[in-house]
Amino acid sequence: DSGVTQTPKHLITATGQRVTLRCSPRSGDLSVYWYQQSLDQGLQFLIHYYNGEERAKGNILERFSAQQFPDLHSELNLSSLELGDSALYFCASSATGGVNQPQHFGDGTRLSIL
Amino acid sequence: GQNIDQPTEMTATEGAIVQINCTYQTSGFNGLFWYQQHAGEAPTFLSYNVLDGLEEKGRFSSFLSRSKGYSYLLLKELQMKDSASYLCAVSLNGNAGNMLTFGGGTRLMVKP
Repeated sequence: DSGVTQTPKHLITATGQRVTLRCSPRSGDLSVYWYQQSLDQGLQFLIHYYNGEERAKGNILERFSAQQFPDLHSELNLSSLELGDSALYFCASSATGGVNQPQHFGDGTRLSIL
Repeated sequence: GQNIDQPTEMTATEGAIVQINCTYQTSGFNGLFWYQQHAGEAPTFLSYNVLDGLEEKGRFSSFLSRSKGYSYLLLKELQMKDSASYLCAVSLNGNAGNMLTFGGGTRLMVKP
C-alpha cells in the first residue's frame, strides 16, 4: 500500500461526458502528479502540482484540467470525453517534488468510454 | 523530443539472473528511476541513479552511464513473483516542476 488513495477505482461513461478523478496523496506529501497509461502509449505524464500550485505540464489535452486543494488532495477533470481517453489514470505523490524523490503511485482509476 | 528505449519482452528462468537495458536521449537529465509494475497494478519504486555506477539493493541492482545514455536493471535469484513489467523513467525539469518520462516498459516472464 503506497498510501496514495484514488477514487473511483473504475468509471464507465459515454462519449461527450465529463468525469472527475480524485486523489489523496500520502500523509505529508506536498506534490501530486497525474499520469495516463494506455496500451499503445505507455505511462504519460500529464501534470504536477506542488502545495496547490501548478509546477509542470506534460502533453495534457485542453479538455483535461486539474487542481490541488488546500488540504492537498487533487482532482483531474476530463471533459468532452472521446473513445481514445479510455485508459488507466494514475496519481502519484512525493514529499516536495524534488527531482531525486521517488514518486509513489496510487492504484489508479480505470476509465472506460463506451 | 524525449526518447527512452527498452526491450518489449524478456523471458528468464526461476533462480537465474536477468539484465533489463534502457537507453535514453532526453533534453535534460536529473536522474533515472526504475519501477516495477504488475499487470493492472500501480508502479512501485525500485531504484534511483543520478551518478555513474552501480547501486545495489538486495536482489536488485541498477547501473547508470550518463555519457552513454544507458542504464540497466539487474535482477538476481529470480522468483516467480518477479514476473512483471519494469519501467525505466528519466527525471526531467519542467519549468519549476518535475516530471518523469517513461519508457514503454519491459515485460518480464519468469518460468519455472
